[in-house]
Amino acid sequence: LAKTTQPISMDSYEGQEVNITCSHNNIATNDYITWYQQFPSQGPRFIIQGYKTKVTNEVASLFIPADRKSSTLSLPRVSLSDTAVYYCLVGNNNDMRFGAGTRLTVKP
Amino acid sequence: DAGITQSPRHKVTETGTPVTLRCHQTENHRYMYWYRQDPGHGLRLIHYSYGVKDTDKGEVSDGYSVSRSKTEDFLLTLESATSSQTSVYFCAISESGDRYNEQFFGPGTRLTVL
Repeated sequence: LAKTTQPISMDSYEGQEVNITCSHNNIATNDYITWYQQFPSQGPRFIIQGYKTKVTNEVASLFIPADRKSSTLSLPRVSLSDTAVYYCLVGNNNDMRFGAGTRLTVKP
Repeated sequence: DAGITQSPRHKVTETGTPVTLRCHQTENHRYMYWYRQDPGHGLRLIHYSYGVKDTDKGEVSDGYSVSRSKTEDFLLTLESATSSQTSVYFCAISESGDRYNEQFFGPGTRLTVL
């Protein structure tokens, strides 16, 4: 299973775009990339998933380069309520594991 | 939000006592999961279920057992709790058995073993 590496923490300000990059050098051809968000005292919540190129939904975009060895979660115009831990997961239909995540703090 | 409840939400127990945590869903999803979350770690899978009476081990299953007698309920049992099992436990459900697909998580149970 591909190991993921993310920054431990990031700071941003309200209204800015935030990009969180996840490294997964050993990603396999049948692996997908999934991102979850977790607020304190809550369970994680699915944000977005992709396999290659770009995926966009109502809350985020996911950019995956052609070699798929990394991925970037982009959060447009963050607000204070986006302060949370963001997890990058890489895995397939049989196994997918959480890493330690990135703690994003949005400041006023 | 997905209809997932966990009970109890908080529990303090003593080493050596049995503990059972309950996960209840109203979504009729086939797949259910138990995770634990510890400081500095993401979530780690303990056990999962792919149907009534069908369960399998995850990456940290030692010291835990599970049962699923109804689609809506998934029980996690610590036969003899140890301090190393102090953690926050999350239940999750999904429609698809493909692990990369979206899972919906419950609110968690904070367990303290003294």
